[in-house]
Amino acid sequence: EAGVAQSPRYKIIEKRQSVAFWCNPISGHATLYWYQQILGQGPKLLIQFQNNGVVDDSQLPKDRFSAERLKGVDSTLKIQPAKLEDSAVYLCASSLESLRVRDTQYFGPGTRLTVL
Amino acid sequence: QQPVQSPQAVILREGEDAVINCSSSKALYSVHWYRQKHGEAPVFLMILLKGGEQKGHEKISASFNEKKQQSSLYLTASQLSYSGTYFCGTDRMISSGSARQLTFGSGTQLTVLP
Repeated sequence: EAGVAQSPRYKIIEKRQSVAFWCNPISGHATLYWYQQILGQGPKLLIQFQNNGVVDDSQLPKDRFSAERLKGVDSTLKIQPAKLEDSAVYLCASSLESLRVRDTQYFGPGTRLTVL
Repeated sequence: QQPVQSPQAVILREGEDAVINCSSSKALYSVHWYRQKHGEAPVFLMILLKGGEQKGHEKISASFNEKKQQSSLYLTASQLSYSGTYFCGTDRMISSGSARQLTFGSGTQLTVLP
């Protein structure tokens, strides 16, 4: 079974530029998550999709971050404009659904973003 | 609210044992444990469910103490491959009741030396 795919793996941009990350979840997984992981910290949830609808984006800085999941499969996370504090690893994860206590999240390899 | 993990870091020799704790101020329904090696994605280890169920993965086991709202991860006879950062994720239902999600601790860095 193929895992969660993400691209690019690394990205270096200057502040105020824009950047986009792509995620393709495990086939059949209805729920998709985007996390931000700052060095030395645990993953912090930014947005959660169930199929192609948003179920929680309360921690997404909406003035600069946006995300979409068209057709309920792959997803794109965008930052525009980027700030220095956005430097982090952006992890995508997926699970079969998100209502069951036993549901396991599977993570992709992440995109390491450096903002100069 | 973010769960609290302890210790923050531990160094041990191959073959030694270690315990990592994860505590929450809120009632726990389940605790998910992950291991992340440097530059890699977090890898799922196991889920602990409400009720004190104990699970195992290789020589790694965990327990769930509902009364203390705490989960502990036990690494027995550690191997070099156990090195990495261990995260616990505590499960909660979001306010709308339409989904569950995990809140992760800040991690415990485990280094196993030969």
